Amino acid sequence: ETGVTQTPRHLVMGMTNKKSLKCEQHLGHNAMYWYKQSAKKPLELMFVYNFKEQTENNSVPSRFSPECPNSSHLFLHLHTLQPEDSALYLCASSQDREPFFGPGTRLTVL
Amino acid sequence: GEDVEQSLFLSVREGDSSVINCTYTDSSSTYLYWYKQEPGAGLQLLTYIFSNMDMKQDQRLTVLLNKKDKHLSLRIADTQTGDSAIYFCAESIAGRRALTFGSGTRLQVQP
Repeated sequence: ETGVTQTPRHLVMGMTNKKSLKCEQHLGHNAMYWYKQSAKKPLELMFVYNFKEQTENNSVPSRFSPECPNSSHLFLHLHTLQPEDSALYLCASSQDREPFFGPGTRLTVL
Repeated sequence: GEDVEQSLFLSVREGDSSVINCTYTDSSSTYLYWYKQEPGAGLQLLTYIFSNMDMKQDQRLTVLLNKKDKHLSLRIADTQTGDSAIYFCAESIAGRRALTFGSGTRLQVQP
């Protein structure tokens, strides 16, 4: 595997479900990010992790819970989501400069 | 404050040049970037320019930076149907890891 990978690529969940999104970077980067992309707000930063420590939380509701166990892996745990949380969730990683993006997980909340 | 703005849509004919514009507000930008997003995919870094440069050329792509007016543009020469995508400009600000992205410009190339 190369670059930034995300699983699953597509996810459909009910409002009472609990699911997790996974991101893995194979670039040796030291920072990882979660972005949300929807029609209402094209590219919205959610969280930033730098050397496994969370350095930014962009006022994200607590129903989104990130986890960064090491510099290569980033998770986004989802619970009791709302239909308006349906979006493309993009993971990215960087080393000092520009981020490299994964292909995203298309999430639909019913 | 940080704000990056782009027009939402641009339509050109195949073979013409495309110019996508972007304005930003933070004068402490260090690097400025252009990303391309094709349908169903993540963002792909196209090119970038350091803030003390005013032009950068990379094959069919030309980036122009007017730092005084805080204006960035991306020119695509000989635009092809495969260039149809959303193009995002982004700025990097000293002391902050995350980039600030514009809302994206959808480029439609007519055959």
